[in-house]
Amino acid sequence: GAVVSQHPSWVICKSGTSVKIECRSLDFQATTMFWYRQFPKQSLMLMATSNEGSKATYEQGVEKDKFLINHASLTLSTLTVTSAHPEDSSFYICSASVRGFYTEAFFGQGTRLTVV
Amino acid sequence: AQTVTQSQPEMSVQEAETVTLSCTYDTSESDYYLFWYKQPPSRQMILVIRQEAYKQQNATENRFSVNFQKAAKSFSLKISDSQLGDAAMYFCAYRREYGGATNKLIFGTGTLLAVQP
Repeated sequence: GAVVSQHPSWVICKSGTSVKIECRSLDFQATTMFWYRQFPKQSLMLMATSNEGSKATYEQGVEKDKFLINHASLTLSTLTVTSAHPEDSSFYICSASVRGFYTEAFFGQGTRLTVV
Repeated sequence: AQTVTQSQPEMSVQEAETVTLSCTYDTSESDYYLFWYKQPPSRQMILVIRQEAYKQQNATENRFSVNFQKAAKSFSLKISDSQLGDAAMYFCAYRREYGGATNKLIFGTGTLLAVQP
């Protein structure tokens, strides 16, 4: 399968600051990337879907001004948590796919965000 | 809207034994994919097995097999000869066929599998 790299694996930031998480497809060009949030012992909650070169589509209830998603190239998408607060602390996972080439999307290793 | 239900929050199996994890789903579409993902303590999502809805034959991958009942909208995962490394959270997921892998996955709530030595 293809490889998706997510960076950083973990990050601690102060309340009120912004933090950026990167998701890269290493050996394929990802036309679509997905961003998920996962609380302990819970399922993955889709936050948004981004297609290269266009604005992300956010799921209902997800604040687009809070969680900025950029998919400027076919190999990189970023999630920026702006003005982070302790309640934003969570595990964030990205996945990437390419239409017509792979049957499934491939997941990054996730980022544990702690806001103090 | 499509939904995926996993009714077993936790399961336990003895090493070398067989365990079956249940999954049901609801959809009005006829073409779709179903997946089982494993999430070990590292939290890396790992694809265990996939099933195309148009295929009647149940998918198998080594010790992992599924029982796909399209009419009943049921998709269970059987793990044979369970190993300690199988201990993980298992998620059942649905994805519509049209548009391929660029469609979002709809996940169930997960089943936490413990393997007893």
